Amino acid sequence: EDQVTQSPEALRLQEGESSSLNCSYTVSGLRGLFWYRQDPGKGPEFLFTLYSAGEEKEKERLKATLTKKESFLHITAPKPEDSATYLCAAKTTDSWGKLQFGAGTQVVVTP
Amino acid sequence: DGGITQSPKYLFRKEGQNVTLSCEQNLNHDAMYWYRQDPGQGLRLIYYSQIVNDFQKGDIAEGYSVSREKKESFPLTVTSAQKNPTAFYLCASSIGVAGGYNEQFFGPGTRLTVL
Repeated sequence: EDQVTQSPEALRLQEGESSSLNCSYTVSGLRGLFWYRQDPGKGPEFLFTLYSAGEEKEKERLKATLTKKESFLHITAPKPEDSATYLCAAKTTDSWGKLQFGAGTQVVVTP
Repeated sequence: DGGITQSPKYLFRKEGQNVTLSCEQNLNHDAMYWYRQDPGQGLRLIYYSQIVNDFQKGDIAEGYSVSREKKESFPLTVTSAQKNPTAFYLCASSIGVAGGYNEQFFGPGTRLTVL
């Protein structure tokens, strides 16, 4: 059974304190690994897609990386506005459009 | 501005009532999806549609129904058969089947509460 697991469930950071979020996946065949940001009471906002091991993508203070078993979202020198829940999702070779989502990591950045 | 709209933002339902959640997109996307989000759980797929007049059940379709009569619209009906409908409902769309690598873009969500 395809599974996507995110850790930690929650993360509290001081402003400027860099950290990483983990997304581990066990799927039949990966066709894409997606990262989203979700603010409370709102829909997820697309951040990145990673397709193959070794790939990296960056956007402002966020950097996503992918290995054969997991993906990391690195937050460098976070600011309070980076506070959100970060979701990862995997798309597999045998699921037409379905994304398998993890439960998310809730990040709180304090001044 | 291109995007996905959902209405209403908040919806209250009495036991035994059917309610319909609206989802409209002007991104010219072929594929549309409905997800349900509960606290502490990942998004779960209810239904998806690859093209007009066609849709498939997702992982948790029981107690829900959909239609896809127009490319832009994919309404979701929560029927009285859904035992625990209180949740946050999210609609998404993507370009379509071609390539198979397409990102899904989400609407703002509808929070449904059963009274």
